[in-house]
Amino acid sequence: QVQLQESGPGLVKPSETLSLTCTVSGGSMTNYYWSWVRQPPGKGLEWIGYIYDRVITNSNPSLKSRVTISVDMSEHQFSLKLSSVTPADTAVYYCARHQALAAAGSLYYGMDVWGQGTTVTVSS
Amino acid sequence: DIQMTQSPSSLSASVGDRVTITCRASQNINTFLNWYQHRPGKAPNLLIFAASSLHRGVPSRFSGGRSGTDFTLTINGLLPEDFATYYCQQSNSFPHTFGQGTKLEIK
Repeated sequence: QVQLQESGPGLVKPSETLSLTCTVSGGSMTNYYWSWVRQPPGKGLEWIGYIYDRVITNSNPSLKSRVTISVDMSEHQFSLKLSSVTPADTAVYYCARHQALAAAGSLYYGMDVWGQGTTVTVSS
Repeated sequence: DIQMTQSPSSLSASVGDRVTITCRASQNINTFLNWYQHRPGKAPNLLIFAASSLHRGVPSRFSGGRSGTDFTLTINGLLPEDFATYYCQQSNSFPHTFGQGTKLEIK
């Protein structure tokens, strides 16, 4: 059974770079999209971005210029870097796997495996 | 970006009740709609994909529907473990936007 675990600093200073890693265990990383999602305090979920097949990435336009997502298949990890953080970036950060799911002859993507989440606070 | 609007934002119900949550997309997303359950302190859990297909292991008391750009999540016979926050998410185009969530509370 695939499991994901986020790790990284719980406190980041304003203007610095937030760095998180997601370790994948119990399964392969190939042929999947791997995403980051966050939830600010008292708010809903926000998709941050994904990486696929080592080099294909996409991110939320609201964050795009600040987001870097990378993968290290040999270490079974993928990572998030969010630069120039402000207190508005304080959130629980989740990593997740997109699974291609078949229905009515088509493929649909849903995030079927998630990490437990890690809280990151941006404060001086 | 496609906007997803959920209603209501919160809902009180009792064990055994039937509840329905609605999600409206700002444009046509066909059936590219997922529903997630999120309990406090836990990872979100995929319930439904393709608007009405139950993800494996999800109880049959959960069901999803679609009418145009309006989608519904219905829970028949609420159990104590169903009290959580529910999110819709469109997977038609990136960014895969979420609704703002519906908090289901015990009455």
